[in-house]
Amino acid sequence: DAKTTQPTSMDCAEGRAANLPCNHSTISGNEYVYWYRQIHSQGPQYIIHGLKNNETNEMASLIITEDRKSSTLILPHATLRDTAVYYCIVSPLTGANNLFFGTGTRLTVIP
Amino acid sequence: NAGVMQNPRHLVRRRGQEARLRCSPMKGHSHVYWYRQLPEEGLKFMVYLQKENIIDESGMPKERFSAEFPKEGPSILRIQQVVRGDSAAYFCASSLRTGRGTDTQYFGPGTRLTVL
Repeated sequence: DAKTTQPTSMDCAEGRAANLPCNHSTISGNEYVYWYRQIHSQGPQYIIHGLKNNETNEMASLIITEDRKSSTLILPHATLRDTAVYYCIVSPLTGANNLFFGTGTRLTVIP
Repeated sequence: NAGVMQNPRHLVRRRGQEARLRCSPMKGHSHVYWYRQLPEEGLKFMVYLQKENIIDESGMPKERFSAEFPKEGPSILRIQQVVRGDSAAYFCASSLRTGRGTDTQYFGPGTRLTVL
């Protein structure tokens, strides 16, 4: 069952920041926000996750609102290789038996 | 530092044959998950296994599909008497599942099954 909503598609100019929003208004206190992406037909790639603080790694930044009802994944300098479907998923702290992928956001990076 | 490995990467079967898909988890991971992605659709959970145990098979079709994760060797997803509707990409993921915090699932490259 979907616990997140994302825009169907987005475009971003190469070299600019890509900001991908996600609403998870029914998230509970014991659930993380995870982001994965799927490039063409490859296996999903883990990007980042967070609970309530903003997070940053070598791939992206994750900004979670104070009420935790929404978040934004930021790719600081998008490249053509970032073109993919991006999935925002909520998952229990103790681990999920199954991740619900939904339809995600198809990000197209434009040269 | 190998990731999740799946083989074969591509598998072609005729209707009625059996398909066996293998998944080797990341080193140190003892929890394996199988997902299926039909053409133009999202990933759908099938089954979650720990060594020698099926923990959650709520997404598995009731017939023809089975999964195992033996004490030694890879996890196997087995599809008997394949039909054209089984044509899909099958992805395996693995995790540590410590229960003490985050438990990220890491995915393999998938096996693309084509049923003729």
